[in-house]
Amino acid sequence: DIQMTQSPSSLSASVGDRVTITCRASQGISNYLAWFQQKPGKAPKSLIYAASSLQSGVPSKFSGSGSGTDFTLTISSLQPEDFATYYCQQYNSYPPTFGGGTKVEIK
Amino acid sequence: QVQLQESGPGLVKPSQTLSLTCTVSGGSISSGGYYWSWIRQHPGKGLEWIGYIYYSGSTYYNPSLKSRVTISVDTSKNQFSLKLSSVTAADTAVYYCAREADIWGQGTMVTVSS
Repeated sequence: DIQMTQSPSSLSASVGDRVTITCRASQGISNYLAWFQQKPGKAPKSLIYAASSLQSGVPSKFSGSGSGTDFTLTISSLQPEDFATYYCQQYNSYPPTFGGGTKVEIK
Repeated sequence: QVQLQESGPGLVKPSQTLSLTCTVSGGSISSGGYYWSWIRQHPGKGLEWIGYIYYSGSTYYNPSLKSRVTISVDTSKNQFSLKLSSVTAADTAVYYCAREADIWGQGTMVTVSS
């Protein structure tokens, strides 16, 4: 299985901050990477697919980049509703695997 | 818009079979060429992909669970189902159904305990 490693595992940030989360794959996955946001007690919500394509309805403050093994999710200006846990997922090869998550907390 | 809803027992005894159903509304499970997935999340932990089924009935399972998993589809009811046999406490988790990975159900907590 392809291992997905996210960093950091948690971070504290203030409203208005620019936040970057990284995701590294144990082998090349081209751009077959998705990002999800999960709030407590809720299902994950798809934010980005194909490494950088925004899902319909997702605000443009979210952006993704990367290819191969290294990827980033950036939130340009953190808002109160963005405090959540974020997961990356590779779907280049089966089984699809998820990163361990990055919890974004209020500073 | 398409919505998914999981249903099934919230408590299963060890060694028994966990059975869940996902009902799809707002669209046909037979159209669009999507694959329909089951994913689980252990309490306080990350996400684990269980497997998927195409509308045609072809399946793919996570090798780590393959010997115990069956996913089936009932197009007449617009539903797909998960069966996980010989469960243990390690199968206690929130189980999600999803259309590929873009639309998810709300999830259902399943506890394995006697």
